Amino acid sequence: GESVGLHLPTLSVQEGDNSIINCAYSNSASDYFIWYKQESGKGPQFIIDIRSNMDKRQGQRVTVLLNKTVKHLSLQIAATQPGDSAVYFCAETPNTDKLIFGTGTRLQVFP
Amino acid sequence: DAGITQSPRHKVTETGTPVTLRCHQTENHRYMYWYRQDPGHGLRLIHYSYGVKDTDKGEVSDGYSVSRSKTEDFLLTLESATSSQTSVYFCAIRQGLGNTGELFFGEGSRLTVL
Repeated sequence: GESVGLHLPTLSVQEGDNSIINCAYSNSASDYFIWYKQESGKGPQFIIDIRSNMDKRQGQRVTVLLNKTVKHLSLQIAATQPGDSAVYFCAETPNTDKLIFGTGTRLQVFP
Repeated sequence: DAGITQSPRHKVTETGTPVTLRCHQTENHRYMYWYRQDPGHGLRLIHYSYGVKDTDKGEVSDGYSVSRSKTEDFLLTLESATSSQTSVYFCAIRQGLGNTGELFFGEGSRLTVL
């Protein structure tokens, strides 16, 4: 696989704690949002998505919150595990075809 | 893995030479994308395709061209590679129609331009 050495904001959490990763998106016309996880040497992988008619959506151990007023998206990971260590990207859809990514946040999980 | 294969996975070339990266999918998806990933910039959209011979530009299309002569293949070409095009390139396909459905990514192609 491939990876890049990204100089990213980093969130460090202890195993078992909850993690909150934040993202500010840019386009008020975006109506669909996705969180991706990228492990070292791999391509991004889908975690969870949310449409703009929702404020919250839950998956397995993950929750996405959307605040359209301030154009803010967050990803909450419950009971963070070492396998959650990765870079996390939010992405928005400003029109019907394009998906635009944020710059990412590195999550480091310590035992 | 959504049946996406990128080739080559690694390439080193010299400034001024042409380079073509290939993305191949096996599941007949309509939408295909090329992104580049660089430190401090995350993933940036280069070009995308919404059908055979239907393509459009993304955020960073200068210096790149694409072609889609058949559903399964989306080619990214650097006509004359420059050092600023050293990057990791990811191909993606989109499931679903329009702005629904997530992207599935390939494993990436690392290009180094000397």
